Amino acid sequence: GAVVSQHPSRVICKSGTSVKIECRSLDFQATTMFWYRQFPKQSLMLMATSNEGSKATYEQGVEKDKFLINHASLTLSTLTVTSAHPEDSSFYICSAPTSGGASEQFFGPGTRLTVL
Amino acid sequence: AQSVTQLDSQVPVFEEAPVELRCNYSSSVSVYLFWYVQYPNQGLQLLLKYLSGSTLVKSINGFEAEFNKSQTSFHLRKPSVHISDTAEYFCAVSGASGTYKYIFGTGTRLKVLA
Repeated sequence: GAVVSQHPSRVICKSGTSVKIECRSLDFQATTMFWYRQFPKQSLMLMATSNEGSKATYEQGVEKDKFLINHASLTLSTLTVTSAHPEDSSFYICSAPTSGGASEQFFGPGTRLTVL
Repeated sequence: AQSVTQLDSQVPVFEEAPVELRCNYSSSVSVYLFWYVQYPNQGLQLLLKYLSGSTLVKSINGFEAEFNKSQTSFHLRKPSVHISDTAEYFCAVSGASGTYKYIFGTGTRLKVLA
């Protein structure tokens, strides 16, 4: 099956610093990738749709200047949390659909961000 | 737009007992439906999916779900659970138009007791 990786799996940073999270599709190309945020014991909330070659589409209430998304290639999307604060601590998960119209997404293993 | 409701936030069940996790959705268009399982501090793993065809879909580890269009439901069932089935289960819906955008339910924590 299709594999999506994320790096790092866990990151701890100080308040005010920026953190970059990478999402890679390892064995397929993804023109679209999705970024989700999951608070403890809660569901996944879609943050944004990452589009290769164009600007990301953000969901309502998500600050685009806070969460910078860059879809650099057909296999890589990055999420940068700028000037991170403790309230940004969360589990961030990316996903990518394979081509073929089956509308199935493959999820990365997630990145645990802790902001001190 | 679509929405998903998982009414049960937590379901405790004894080992080898049957279980049903409920999922209801709403949508003005045709949908695809999914069940994902999440173990602690891990990403999501696809358990099973309904895209079209037979309304009863099954996974390799004994779970099954039935798409019921009239009741707008996609409940997940297993006739006999194991301790290893303890996890968080998420129901998700996407429009069948190929936008790939998923809407997740709030999740149900299945806790299997010895």
